[in-house]
Amino acid sequence: SQELEQSPQSLIVQEGKNLTINCTSSKTLYGLYWYKQKYGEGLIFLMMLQKGGEEKSHEKITAKLDEKKQQSSLHITASQPSHAGIYLCGADIWGRGSTLGRLYFGRGTQLTVWP
Amino acid sequence: SAVISQKPSRDICQRGTSLTIQCQVDSQVTMMFWYRQQPGQSLTLIATANQGSEATYESGFVIDKFPISRPNLTFSTLTVSNMSPEDSSIYLCSVDTGYYTFGSGTRLTVV
Repeated sequence: SQELEQSPQSLIVQEGKNLTINCTSSKTLYGLYWYKQKYGEGLIFLMMLQKGGEEKSHEKITAKLDEKKQQSSLHITASQPSHAGIYLCGADIWGRGSTLGRLYFGRGTQLTVWP
Repeated sequence: SAVISQKPSRDICQRGTSLTIQCQVDSQVTMMFWYRQQPGQSLTLIATANQGSEATYESGFVIDKFPISRPNLTFSTLTVSNMSPEDSSIYLCSVDTGYYTFGSGTRLTVV
């Protein structure tokens, strides 16, 4: 099965601190997706990265895909309690539109932000 | 991006019974994906549902346990059959309309 390692498993930070979550694939990625999940709920799309070296930002969240397209990081600047939740990376190793198109997910990172 | 309406949002069911989960998309899509997220675990793909053909199941998942219907390009159902406590999970549907969008999930508890 696709190996997608996500770290750390959990993260507890004080409000205002920066943090980084990593996602590493054993295979080259056609796409890397970042989602946020609140406990027991669905997934909220954050960002999609497809090109090696690509970097995207939305508000205080920045995601990068390395040149070799096998590792991605999600960085949150000046964290807030509203950032708390489970962050999941999803890997596309087949390419969208393929009959095998689907995502493989990491185990997630539980983020807690305390005031 | 597509908007997916998934229901029920949660249910508590007796072992041995079945539950059908519905996903309605606000646009036509070729493929719909069904995932399971067991407690403390990541998402695992159950099957891919194409309109007009049988669903394709991943290793470890069978049609008798998780029958899927796909009557048109905007709707699909997943049934969890003959449930046991091990089926307690969050079930999510997903579509690709530019990026993979997910429904709000169905939180199933089997007692």
